[in-house]
Amino acid sequence: SQKIEQNSEALNIQEGKTATLTCNYTNYSPAYLQWYRQDPGRGPVFLLLIRENEKEKRKERLKVTFDTTLKQSLFHITASQPADSATYLCAPRGAGNMLTFGGGTRLMVKP
Amino acid sequence: NAGVMQNPRHLVRRRGQEARLRCSPMKGHSHVYWYRQLPEEGLKFMVYLQKENIIDESGMPKERFSAEFPKEGPSILRIQQVVRGDSAAYFCASSPGSKNTEAFFGQGTRLTVV
Repeated sequence: SQKIEQNSEALNIQEGKTATLTCNYTNYSPAYLQWYRQDPGRGPVFLLLIRENEKEKRKERLKVTFDTTLKQSLFHITASQPADSATYLCAPRGAGNMLTFGGGTRLMVKP
Repeated sequence: NAGVMQNPRHLVRRRGQEARLRCSPMKGHSHVYWYRQLPEEGLKFMVYLQKENIIDESGMPKERFSAEFPKEGPSILRIQQVVRGDSAAYFCASSPGSKNTEAFFGQGTRLTVV
């Protein structure tokens, strides 16, 4: 069955450092993959989309990579700030067109 | 352009009652997705609808749960004879198309069954 795995343990880093979050998937051949941010008590907010023919995508301090051989996406936040503290969700888009999410990784950036 | 609107934000129901959750997608969006989220857990896909059609309901329990997205009006997620285990946050998302498009989420409805 299809699985999306994100590190369920919280990631704690110091302000100014780069945060790297991992998303692994199995039994998927996604045409593209999306990353979302979710704050407590709120709905997810779209951040980035990367297509299968793109190796890397950047948006301001965010960078996403997509390795279809490893079946993995990495999400980087450079020069992290306490305001970046949230849960980050990955969503590979597979067959059926439904949007399915990983369990998310909570990021805590300490000042 | 208003975002995805969900109401009510909070809903309390006694066991055995019905819960109706409403979702108005963004203007111009014809695709709607419903998700359930338990505390400290991820988003679980329930159902995907396109105007008047259910495209995928593989994540929705077979009994007591139903969803619709009529030609006019909001999408409705209906839970009949609620039980305590139905207590969760229910999120709705909409998108203009089904491929290569981001989904816009509402703020969710928090259902509490007492």
